[in-house]
Amino acid sequence: DAGITQSPRHKVTETGTPVTLRCHQTENHRYMYWYRQDPGHGLRLIHYSYGVKDTDKGEVSDGYSVSRSKTEDFLLTLESATSSQTSVYFCAISETGQGYNEQFFGPGTRLTVL
Amino acid sequence: RKEVEQDPGPFNVPEGATVAFNCTYSNSASQSFFWYRQDCRKEPKLLMSVYSSGNEDGRFTAQLNRASQYISLLIRDSKLSDSATYLCVVKRTGRRALTFGSGTRLQVQP
Repeated sequence: DAGITQSPRHKVTETGTPVTLRCHQTENHRYMYWYRQDPGHGLRLIHYSYGVKDTDKGEVSDGYSVSRSKTEDFLLTLESATSSQTSVYFCAISETGQGYNEQFFGPGTRLTVL
Repeated sequence: RKEVEQDPGPFNVPEGATVAFNCTYSNSASQSFFWYRQDCRKEPKLLMSVYSSGNEDGRFTAQLNRASQYISLLIRDSKLSDSATYLCVVKRTGRRALTFGSGTRLQVQP
């Protein structure tokens, strides 16, 4: 299995509070991604990174920000959590962003916003 | 319309059965195609990539039809351990990230 960890694995928070999720990899892959998974929607991309300090938005980026100060770490921040951000969040990594290059997923973080 | 559409199922089949899933994609700029498997409350894992010529991996066969924009997955001799959700995934030219279908749930019964 690819070396990807996510923390925390579970979190319950209240509306309006900031939340930061961490993804850590030991594979030295260049690309890192944050997805959210909701029933009926599949996984949807929030943000991705193609190098240290290089990030770009995905299809559901509103209300989220990211940072990548080291190759191995990719942080996802919910600036002011809302109930609509209750979801399962998956981090993924890949060596390149090209063609058939496989994406490996972390174990996920279950976030509940009350 | 969703970019990747799948029948959500569930498909309930007995052990040893052959089962097929189809998936359609709407964007003709889609370049790469995959089937991922996701067990309950776990992360998705790559099952197989789908190439234009089709490909086979043991009991699993994947086909791609670019003209009709659909992808199929055939599972032969189903095992209990095949019970999972199967995610159809496409990657569009020029995009780094993947686009996922909502998944098809398979339940193999003894």
